[in-house]
Amino acid sequence: EAGVTQFPSHSVIEKGQTVTLRCDPISGHDNLYWYRRVMGKEIKFLLHFVKESKQDESGMPNNRFLAERTGGTYSTLKVQPAELEDSGVYFCASSPPGGRSYNEQFFGPGTRLTVL
Amino acid sequence: AQSVTQPDIHITVSEGASLELRCNYSYGATPYLFWYVQSPGQGLQLLLKYFSGDTLVQGIKGFEAEFKRSQSSFNLRKPSVHWSDAAEYFCAVMNTGFQKLVFGTGTRLLVSP
Repeated sequence: EAGVTQFPSHSVIEKGQTVTLRCDPISGHDNLYWYRRVMGKEIKFLLHFVKESKQDESGMPNNRFLAERTGGTYSTLKVQPAELEDSGVYFCASSPPGGRSYNEQFFGPGTRLTVL
Repeated sequence: AQSVTQPDIHITVSEGASLELRCNYSYGATPYLFWYVQSPGQGLQLLLKYFSGDTLVQGIKGFEAEFKRSQSSFNLRKPSVHWSDAAEYFCAVMNTGFQKLVFGTGTRLLVSP
């Protein structure tokens, strides 16, 4: 079974540009999460999708960040315009619906974003 | 607000020696507790989890963790470290009924020959 995949693995952009990160969850996982780790700090929750609906977006830092999950499959996270403080590693995770495994999240390898 | 403290940023252990990574959390009730590991170039992998029941939890790769309610701790242990255990380890908590993980800042483990 394929795990959570993320694309690209690295992205280097200049301040003011736009970047779109993509996450493909494990097949059948209704829940999809985005997290971010800024250099040297803890991994922080950004938002949670259940299928195509945003269940919790309390961690989104500001309106420069837009997350979508059309059709309830893959998700994109767009940063527009990017600022220096957006640099970090963006992780995606997914979890299946229902059952005790409901709370176990499976993580992708992350996308390292560098804003110059 | 919930918080997770991993007081050790870096730890160096000799191969074959025992390991204990510390984790303390701040939360009013007993949350769900997790340890994840990230090896270079890899995603976060779940080592073990505590939801309820037996406070000593066994995980993958020979790791275990003990939940101590009185100390709000969930320390990770391994009796004999292997060079392949060198990685970054994250403790995390989740409110029951919610879906977001709250992570500590991580502990980077170095294994010396």
